[in-house]
Amino acid sequence: DTAVSQTPKYLVTQMGNDKSIKCEQNLGHDTMYWYKQDSKKFLKIMFSYNNKELIINETVPNRFSPKSPDKAHLNLHINSLELGDSAVYFCASSQDRASYEQYFGPGTRLTVT
Amino acid sequence: AQKITQTQPGMFVQEKEAVTLDCTYDTSDPSYGLFWYKQPSSGEMIFLIYQGSYDQQNATEGRYSLNFQKARKSANLVISASQLGDSAMYFCAMEEHNQGGKLIFGQGTELSVKP
Repeated sequence: DTAVSQTPKYLVTQMGNDKSIKCEQNLGHDTMYWYKQDSKKFLKIMFSYNNKELIINETVPNRFSPKSPDKAHLNLHINSLELGDSAVYFCASSQDRASYEQYFGPGTRLTVT
Repeated sequence: AQKITQTQPGMFVQEKEAVTLDCTYDTSDPSYGLFWYKQPSSGEMIFLIYQGSYDQQNATEGRYSLNFQKARKSANLVISASQLGDSAMYFCAMEEHNQGGKLIFGQGTELSVKP
């Protein structure tokens, strides 16, 4: 059973398109996160939701919009994709925002051409 | 200012030997956590070990131990008896407990284990 799953695993699209990445966790966790890993392997947090409430919103272009329909899901929608959005996007979850261990999904490799 | 610094972009170690991966951090928050994650070539992020700022003893998990030196603000990862499967990127990360679970990552160290 996959604890944190993401779809799709790979996403290739053209500049200007709008795309979504889905994340689901079956761990019963309250808190979920989105991280971006760039081409130099640097990981940076983008957003965090706790029980469907946005609690972390880093300096991210407003073309990126997270949505949490319920506490088991955190989706990432990206409008007007740009070349610089090419990266690996990781979803993660933790028991709550005070919990020390975050479980990561397998990542979604987004390539914008 | 860089909050988490990993100064070794790449490291080599002979199989069965021990290796230390360096990590220094910077925070004024007295309550924080330090983590190490492993990222193999397949890309997933694997949690290895955690150290809380108030923990008195160094954390250990199997072949992994965290050498926590609070005064020096360092949290080095020690891998004992290296195996070929340990070849991967290793990331040090910190969570300041007043930041709602936000992990701040270092630049990573690529470890290669030689047979």
